[in-house]
Amino acid sequence: EPEVTQTPSHQVTQMGQEVILRCVPISNHLYFYWYRQILGQKVEFLVSFYNNEISEKSEIFDDQFSVERPDGSNFTLKIRSTKLEDSAMYFCAVRVGEQYFGPGTRLTVT
Amino acid sequence: SQQGEEDPQALSIQEGENATMNCSYKTSINNLQWYRQNSGRGLVHLILIRSNEREKHSGRLRVTLDTSKKSSSLLITASRAADTASYFCATDSDRDDKIIFGKGTRLHILP
Repeated sequence: EPEVTQTPSHQVTQMGQEVILRCVPISNHLYFYWYRQILGQKVEFLVSFYNNEISEKSEIFDDQFSVERPDGSNFTLKIRSTKLEDSAMYFCAVRVGEQYFGPGTRLTVT
Repeated sequence: SQQGEEDPQALSIQEGENATMNCSYKTSINNLQWYRQNSGRGLVHLILIRSNEREKHSGRLRVTLDTSKKSSSLLITASRAADTASYFCATDSDRDDKIIFGKGTRLHILP
């Protein structure tokens, strides 16, 4: 089972600040995904990323969000100007057959 | 849109009993997966069943898939306290790459 780590495990930020969440896949994967889970709710798809391009994004993934692989290894999710409603768990996933999820980053916007 | 919906929303059973959770979805799928999530933690992949499969086993887990009814069930036999968690079904199709999760069943195993 491929390993995926995420940093930080918990991020607290003030409304309006930019945050960058990082995903570090252990193996060299091609397919990456970000999902989020607001407390008590279901996991929602944000974006998929293949061959250094966004392949699909949900309506949640608006202009405040962006993704990139700056160094060919880490896969990042940036939220430009956080809102209170961005508070959630953010999961990175890689696909090797099925999708394997990282442990998540808990983002708290105050 | 395709969507997994679990039933029941919450389930409490005695340790040692079997737990059955159901999932329904709306559109055709490629695969259906079940995940476990302990409170506030990450998603643990339990089992994947493909659309051409009807049943699959993994340890104490048994998953069935009925594509004619667009439904799946997850059976956990001989439940243990450590099985207390939320269980989600998730579907994907060959039209796109994303996984669609249901709202989950909260399973509580009573000692």
